[in-house]
Amino acid sequence: DVKVTQSSRYLVKRTGEKVFLECVQDMDHENMFWYRQDPGLGLRLIYFSYDVKMKEKGDIPEGYSVSREKKERFSLILESASTNQTSMYLCASSFLGTYNEQFFGPGTRLTVL
Amino acid sequence: AQSVAQPEDQVNVAEGNPLTVKCTYSVSGNPYLFWYVQYPNRGLQFLLKYITGDNLVKGSYGFEAEFNKSQTSFHLKKPSALVSDSALYFCAVRLYYGSSNTGKLIFGQGTTLQVKP
Repeated sequence: DVKVTQSSRYLVKRTGEKVFLECVQDMDHENMFWYRQDPGLGLRLIYFSYDVKMKEKGDIPEGYSVSREKKERFSLILESASTNQTSMYLCASSFLGTYNEQFFGPGTRLTVL
Repeated sequence: AQSVAQPEDQVNVAEGNPLTVKCTYSVSGNPYLFWYVQYPNRGLQFLLKYITGDNLVKGSYGFEAEFNKSQTSFHLKKPSALVSDSALYFCAVRLYYGSSNTGKLIFGQGTTLQVKP
């Protein structure tokens, strides 16, 4: 079974803090993705990576950065957390290729106070 | 613009009855379409996908989806709903990005399915 794990299920941080969200996949997938999920808005892509050290902006990259130093690990960084970044964050991975489905982690619910 | 729409925020159905969750799309080129399900406090799970071929696609947990090119729709169906099917359902379409092969998806806003006993 494909497994995508995320470092925390719930996280509470204060405004201005630097926040790291970690994601690890064990299926040797090339692609990795970070989404945020908000009610009524579905999933919105923040960043994705198709190879180690490669990254591309998604639809809402402002206020976020990412790091992919190893193939299995993809980190999302909130440089200075703000209350409007309170959300559910979902990591996903997939093989390269047009037809391949994405596999999702359990999500991290981040609250910024 | 490429997009996917789920016109219903919530669908209510009685256990044992057939269910349909609607999805329409707008893409450049051939549509590659996906359905995912999200149970409470969980990540998304893949249900099924349409790439090419038969318009009726079968997936996990007894779900199926019908691709209709003329109506640009990909509705999710199940002949007999279970209470345990109650969850949030997302339709997604592959984003065409030049010749990019990155597998990016556009998701609909989600439809909550409520199956009552």
